[in-house]
Order: sequence, then C-alpha cells, then structure tokens
Amino acid sequence: AQSVTQLDSQVPVFEEAPVELRCNYSSSVSVYLFWYVQYPNQGLQLLLKYLSGSTLVESINGFEAEFNKSQTSFHLRKPSVHISDTAEYFCAVSEGGSQGNLIFGKGTKLSVKP
Amino acid sequence: DVKVTQSSRYLVKRTGEKVFLECVQDMDHENMFWYRQDPGLGLRLIYFSYDVKMKEKGDIPEGYSVSREKKERFSLILESASTNQTSMYLCASSLWSHAGGGADTQYFGPGTRLTVL
Repeated sequence: AQSVTQLDSQVPVFEEAPVELRCNYSSSVSVYLFWYVQYPNQGLQLLLKYLSGSTLVESINGFEAEFNKSQTSFHLRKPSVHISDTAEYFCAVSEGGSQGNLIFGKGTKLSVKP
Repeated sequence: DVKVTQSSRYLVKRTGEKVFLECVQDMDHENMFWYRQDPGLGLRLIYFSYDVKMKEKGDIPEGYSVSREKKERFSLILESASTNQTSMYLCASSLWSHAGGGADTQYFGPGTRLTVL
C-alpha cells in the first residue's frame, strides 16, 4: 500500500532563510502529488500539485516542488521565507485508479522566526 | 471559488450520543471525503463517496457511518460517540480528474472540532 513520509515533524527557520520540507512516497507506480498548507484554526488549502508534465511545479507565493521519480520524492522548497509562511504543511499522494483518494503524510510544522 | 461548509466549528457531546456532522459543497463535485486529524498522525481517511448513495470505507471506518443522499451533501455519523473519537473532523470534495487518474485538488471545509466527554 502507498505511504507518505514527511521526515521532519517541525522545522524552525529564521525569516528570509531558505527552507526545504521533505516528502517521500513508497510506490513507484503512476502517482499524483500534492502539497497542502494549513494555517492555524483553518482547513487545508492546496499549495501546489503535480499531475503530469513538467516535474517542477510552483505556487503563487514562491514555493516550488520537484517530482523526482527515481528518488520517489516531492520536496517543497522556498528560497526566502516570511513570517506569514508559518503553518503546517502536508504532502499527499494519489495513485492512478484510486478514485481520487489521497494518502497524507503526518505533516511538518514550519515555524518562521523574526 | 469552491466552498465547502461544515455544520459546526465546535461540538461537545457525551459518550454514547449519536452525532451527525454535515458537509455541503457548492461546486457539483463527484467526490466527497471525511477525514479525522489528530496531532502527529496527519489526516486519516474515514469514508469517501464518489457518487450519490455510493460510499467506500477509508482507513479508519470503525465506529462511523456516512450518508450521501444528494450530490452536494455528505454526512458523517457517529452511532455511539466515544472519548477516542474526540478529534478534528475535516470534510473535502473534488472533481474526478482523468489527468490525475481520478485525483485532483481536494477542497476542504474549515473543520469541526468534536469533543466527546
């Protein structure tokens, strides 16, 4: 069965520093990959997704992630973080033919300090 | 914008009570999902539905049931609430996407924080 591993449960960084949130998945069959963000006391919002095409995908607020099939990874990066990026980030994977189900990682709490 | 609404933000119930959590989406999505979110465990799928009157078990269906009588509404039912069902419950909906092998963006409601005493 598919599984998703987010290696870091908490990532503290200073404002304007770069950050990478790691995500690995288990299966090498066709997969579709998502990053969601959850701000305090809110539901989840899509940050970016990979369904097909270019393996590098970007969000509107400066995050990017690269689908690496050989390493079964979909790490999230931002070159310079802001205080407002403080949130919990979830990686999710869906397998083709799964009726659209997503398997979520356990989340990474990003804490940006001034 | 897609909107997913959940009937309550906070709910307090007693052990043994029957609990109904309602979710409504306004974008004609085929798929609807119920998750529970617990610290350190991420989101775990309870049930999902890909059509009216259709339901499929997720990873942790025990103690829960669901109902989908109309396309826009998906209800989660706790037949006899227990303290270990204290959690945040999130509802989501999505289109069925051919490009994504069925998967596409899931849109989430704000969540219902249920406390069972």
